[in-house]
Amino acid sequence: KAGVTQTPRYLIKTRGQQVTLSCSPISGHRSVSWYQQTPGQGLQFLFEYFSETQRNKGNFPGRFSGRQFSNSRSEMNVSTLELGDSALYLCASRGNPTGGYEQYFGPGTRLTVT
Amino acid sequence: DAKTTQPPSMDCAEGRAANLPCNHSTISGNEYVYWYRQIHSQGPQYIIHGLKNNETNEMASLIITEDRKSSTLILPHATLRDTAVYYCIVRVGGDSWGKLQFGAGTQVVVTP
Repeated sequence: KAGVTQTPRYLIKTRGQQVTLSCSPISGHRSVSWYQQTPGQGLQFLFEYFSETQRNKGNFPGRFSGRQFSNSRSEMNVSTLELGDSALYLCASRGNPTGGYEQYFGPGTRLTVT
Repeated sequence: DAKTTQPPSMDCAEGRAANLPCNHSTISGNEYVYWYRQIHSQGPQYIIHGLKNNETNEMASLIITEDRKSSTLILPHATLRDTAVYYCIVRVGGDSWGKLQFGAGTQVVVTP
């Protein structure tokens, strides 16, 4: 079974631009979560989607948004990029939210904002 | 969710068992202990989880004390590829939404 895939793997953007990252979960998984990882803050939860609905959200500004499609694929968008948004963005999927937090992470998208 | 305390770093010799401690003294009865690891610049990898019984899988063993206030992840025969940051996380199981709260973890370095 293929793992979680994220595209693109690397991205360089300029301050003020916007960016869209994509995540394809493991086949059959309907929950997708997004995390941001930076050297200073570590791994921080952004949001989780299940059945195309956002189920929970972390403490990030409204510039960070996401969505999930009917095939469970998910995208996250960051508008008006700031230098501090440079980070590794990780997507994780899990099969059944009632089954616990055995999540499977993708390789991440490395975003650099200049 | 209960907070966890882990040592910031530990070394282990290749081929020996690595025992990674985690303290979660405020854990509630319905909270599970999860272990993940992250090899440099990769996404975290799920290792194992448990509620109160000891658990074993092909990667590791999880020993939870009887009072559930601490646990130990055991890598039975550490290899160089086990060098990673290991995260111990406590989370409510079952039908719940939310996040895995990652702390700083333990940086494990396996040496030849």
